[in-house]
Amino acid sequence: NAGVTQTPKFQVLKTGQSMTLQCAQDMNHNSMYWYRQDPGMGLRLIYYSASEGTTDKGEVPNGYNVSRLNKREFSLRLESAAPSQTSVYFCASSETTGGVQTQYFGPGTRLLVL
Amino acid sequence: AQRVTQPEKLLSVFKGAPVELKCNYSYSGSPELFWYVQYSRQRLQLLLRHISRESIKGFTADLNKGETSFHLKKPFAQEEDSAMYYCAEGAGGGNKLTFGTGTQLKVEL
Repeated sequence: NAGVTQTPKFQVLKTGQSMTLQCAQDMNHNSMYWYRQDPGMGLRLIYYSASEGTTDKGEVPNGYNVSRLNKREFSLRLESAAPSQTSVYFCASSETTGGVQTQYFGPGTRLLVL
Repeated sequence: AQRVTQPEKLLSVFKGAPVELKCNYSYSGSPELFWYVQYSRQRLQLLLRHISRESIKGFTADLNKGETSFHLKKPFAQEEDSAMYYCAEGAGGGNKLTFGTGTQLKVEL
């Protein structure tokens, strides 16, 4: 199993450009998440999807949109990139066993917005 | 809103010394608490969760409801423990986790 995969690994954008970060998991998990990681800020939840066909806002959703394409894939779109969106983006999926969830993370995408 | 506090951005200890990474949470109910770890050039991964009462790689963490703390401890630090550690809280059985800002542990020889 590949677990959680993300593409691309690294991207440079100019202000105003758009792009989509891709995420896929092969663990048959219902829930998927997008986080951003910034120095001194930890991991902050952007959007999550509790199941196929549903999405909800997290702590920092402004400037982002998401699509839960199917159970495997959860993409994050930046319609008009801003320098404040320079960050490392992590996708995760989770399973719940015995009422306790475990999140599995992808390798991350480093995004630089100039 | 839930809040997870990790007061130390960086913790530097010598090999063989005890380690304590602090974490305080805000949820007043029965929280689910976790420690995640990110080693250099590796993805973030679960280290341990309070409900399992487990010891992983020599690390333990005890939930103290009175102090709303979930500190991570290890009696003798090893060089391979150097990593970024995140405390996280899940509340009410939901799917979301709230992460702290992380503590970078550096174990020096």
